Amino acid sequence: EADIYQTPRYLVIGTGKKITLECSQTMGHDKMYWYQQDPGMELHLIHYSYGVNSTEKGDLSSESTVSRIRTEHFPLTLESARPSHTSQYLCASSGQGAHEQYFGPGTRLTVT
Amino acid sequence: AQSVAQPEDQVNVAEGNPLTVKCTYSVSGNPYLFWYVQYPNRGLQFLLKYITGDNLVKGSYGFEAEFNKSQTSFHLKKPSALVSDSALYFCAVRDYGQNFVFGPGTRLSVLP
Repeated sequence: EADIYQTPRYLVIGTGKKITLECSQTMGHDKMYWYQQDPGMELHLIHYSYGVNSTEKGDLSSESTVSRIRTEHFPLTLESARPSHTSQYLCASSGQGAHEQYFGPGTRLTVT
Repeated sequence: AQSVAQPEDQVNVAEGNPLTVKCTYSVSGNPYLFWYVQYPNRGLQFLLKYITGDNLVKGSYGFEAEFNKSQTSFHLKKPSALVSDSALYFCAVRDYGQNFVFGPGTRLSVLP
């Protein structure tokens, strides 16, 4: 089991609320990623970071933002949640010498 | 641009029978190829990878995959399926860049 953590695991929130999804890893990996996945469907890359103070948008346009102030921490923020944001959000990381990504357990977000 | 195809949305196999989950890819240069498994309400778990060397790679839980460069394929196999293998399987490719492209996923059902 990889040491990458996501909180909360489940979140139900009303429209218009600001939320932050937390992701932390203890492996010292320089690269971190956020994916959006509808249940049982494909993954879409929404943000990635190659190191501290480096963030980029992914292939899928997203209204969320991310920050990378510390190597181990890569939070994702939605300033104003909408029902269209309802999905599962997966965080992953990879490091030098390890070609594969390691995934957290995911956060299942429901916006009512 | 990189792409990954998993031509079967669903694969059904009887317990004890061999299983194959298909994956084909398109990438410029030499590919790094991966298989992941996802159980309900969980993140993705790394199964195996091909980076270089022997075309047959072995991974976790008795799974293996065969890299075929001429057919640009990387099919996942297991000699004897278990009911507990039932899950969603993702093939992924990464080239010399840092990001991964995932296939759409194949749902494997192993019937008792």
